Amino acid sequence: DAGVIQSPRHEVTEMGQEVTLRCKPISGHDYLFWYRQTMMRGLELLIYFNNNVPIDDSGMPEDRFSAKMPNASFSTLKIQPSEPRDSAVYFCASSFPTGKGTEAFFGQGTRLTVV
Amino acid sequence: QQQVKQSPQSLIVQKGGISIINCAYENTAFDYFPWYQQFPGKGPALLIAIRPDVSEKKEGRFTISFNKSAKQFSLHIMDSQPGDSATYFCAASRRAGSYQLTFGKGTKLSVIP
Repeated sequence: DAGVIQSPRHEVTEMGQEVTLRCKPISGHDYLFWYRQTMMRGLELLIYFNNNVPIDDSGMPEDRFSAKMPNASFSTLKIQPSEPRDSAVYFCASSFPTGKGTEAFFGQGTRLTVV
Repeated sequence: QQQVKQSPQSLIVQKGGISIINCAYENTAFDYFPWYQQFPGKGPALLIAIRPDVSEKKEGRFTISFNKSAKQFSLHIMDSQPGDSATYFCAASRRAGSYQLTFGKGTKLSVIP
């Protein structure tokens, strides 16, 4: 497997524009997580899915953020409208918990810059 | 409320020295404590993990020490090498139920020759 695949790797957009980040999890993993990484706040969990169903979205900062997982192999994180304070690296991760502890496999991230 | 506190924020160690990173947690329901390693431009990757039924776990030059009563755990990197230079995150989760990881804020380790 190629691992968790995120696209695009880099995104520069103007304030007010819609941004869509994409993620393909590892096949067979039934948990998918979206994280945001900034220097100030570190790695923050935004939302996670189990079997394509959103379980906890309490980390989503505002209604401008939304996430979907239409099937087991694809998820999107959308920001509309985007603001400069949304600039960060966004990571998608997937896992298959075994009961002994779960290893989250991260993608390479999308570096978002909102100007 | 930050549930996992990590220190130091940055660390500089000479090659061959010991790097020590500390974490403390608050939620006693946590029962799985992994450490992740992140290189620039990459996503975090699992390095080593421990469950609270043991006080220490060693994998090569990397050791986790765990103190359940103090709710603290630490990562020791023996014989630190320049290739170990990266950002290290401690994390905590529950093995059953919610599997989400709560991360510390990270420690940027620089190993100088």
